[in-house]
Amino acid sequence: EAQVTQNPRYLITVTGKKLTVTCSQNMNHEYMSWYRQDPGLGLRQIYYSMNVEVTDKGDVPEGYKVSRKEKRNFPLILESPSPNQTSLYFCASSLKGGLLYNEQFFGPGTRLTVL
Amino acid sequence: QQPVQSPQAVILREGEDAVINCSSSKALYSVHWYRQKHGEAPVFLMILLKGGEQKGHDKISASFNEKKQQSSLYLTASQLSYSGTYFCGTLNYGGSQGNLIFGKGTKLSVKP
Repeated sequence: EAQVTQNPRYLITVTGKKLTVTCSQNMNHEYMSWYRQDPGLGLRQIYYSMNVEVTDKGDVPEGYKVSRKEKRNFPLILESPSPNQTSLYFCASSLKGGLLYNEQFFGPGTRLTVL
Repeated sequence: QQPVQSPQAVILREGEDAVINCSSSKALYSVHWYRQKHGEAPVFLMILLKGGEQKGHDKISASFNEKKQQSSLYLTASQLSYSGTYFCGTLNYGGSQGNLIFGKGTKLSVKP
């Protein structure tokens, strides 16, 4: 089944403890991205990757890191999480490197709570 | 820089129509529309490119007026399954084609 998977789906952690949220897609998509969703603020893009080894900042990149060493995976790293990073995180992918003509497929989401 | 969606929320009876607007302060390459049901991931509806095109998806259609930097989503003869939050996403002209900027969403509730 063609899909975007995220792990873990739920995570409660403490301030300052490094964590990684994994994202993987099995559709051979070039483009991948991360969003955070907070009540009343909609979806805000954190980072995106147009292709392997190419990553760019979105609108809210502070406090996050990403890497794209292989096509299928795009992990989101929080080196020192803080409570203001408590949010619902979505990973998404798209066939081509760019969204002008292409839809995004979203993963199921990861709910992160930082105490 | 986020596009502005209006209304923020709307309640309909089954069979009624609704219009959701998305307005940007910047010139746009394209506009995406997604729907998110409660507790689920957003799902793609359609993309509109500059040129004033209209598109349809079942009884949901949309238009894009590039001069006004606005897009509208039209829901005709609404069904219970249309309930959810609708997001527009914009690609700004001159910006990266990977940087999709979403509005804050419009919550649509369809009642029997």
